Amino acid sequence: SAVISQKPSRDICQRGTSLTIQCQVDSQVTMMFWYRQQPGQSLTLIATANQGSEATYESGFVIDKFPISRPNLTFSTLTVSNMSPEDSSIYLCSVDDRNTDTQYFGPGTRLTVL
Amino acid sequence: EDQVTQSPEALRLQEGESSSLNCSYTVSGLRGLFWYRQDPGKGPEFLFTLYSAGEEKEKERLKATLTKKESFLHITAPKPEDSATYLCAVTLSGSARQLTFGSGTQLTVLP
Repeated sequence: SAVISQKPSRDICQRGTSLTIQCQVDSQVTMMFWYRQQPGQSLTLIATANQGSEATYESGFVIDKFPISRPNLTFSTLTVSNMSPEDSSIYLCSVDDRNTDTQYFGPGTRLTVL
Repeated sequence: EDQVTQSPEALRLQEGESSSLNCSYTVSGLRGLFWYRQDPGKGPEFLFTLYSAGEEKEKERLKATLTKKESFLHITAPKPEDSATYLCAVTLSGSARQLTFGSGTQLTVLP
């Protein structure tokens, strides 16, 4: 299975600032996904990031708030912009492994906004 | 609207007390149903994928089954280390492979 790392693992940020989360995978993958998990909740898909094209955002999420980069087949970033306390969540990246038809998840980034 | 519903929300078992978790789905077309385990502070860990009604998969004390409307995760003689949140998710036919998650079942196994 793919090995996925995320940086930072956690952060505490001030209202109005931005944070960029990095996701690195140990093999080349076509599709990467970004999810949000609010406290005590399940996972909600933010967007799908394909290399070489614009990210596709789900309803309720916009590029100005959550810009995503996907410069190559092993790396992606998610930026949480102009943060408010409501953005306090765990942010997770996942990769779609076509060989096993499975999505594997990174360890997550726990974000607290004060 | 596509929906995935898990029950119960929380389950407390004594060590060795077998039980089942339920995941019911109402979707336009099921491509695959996935079970994950999530420990506090960690990302979901993949357990099983099921594709068609009647399919079963096993791993240690866990067995997952699938019908046309729901999936069950059976836990046989659980141990305290099985305590975690179990998440069910689906992918849809013709979709871009995104997962739609249920709300999860928080399992606690008491020694």
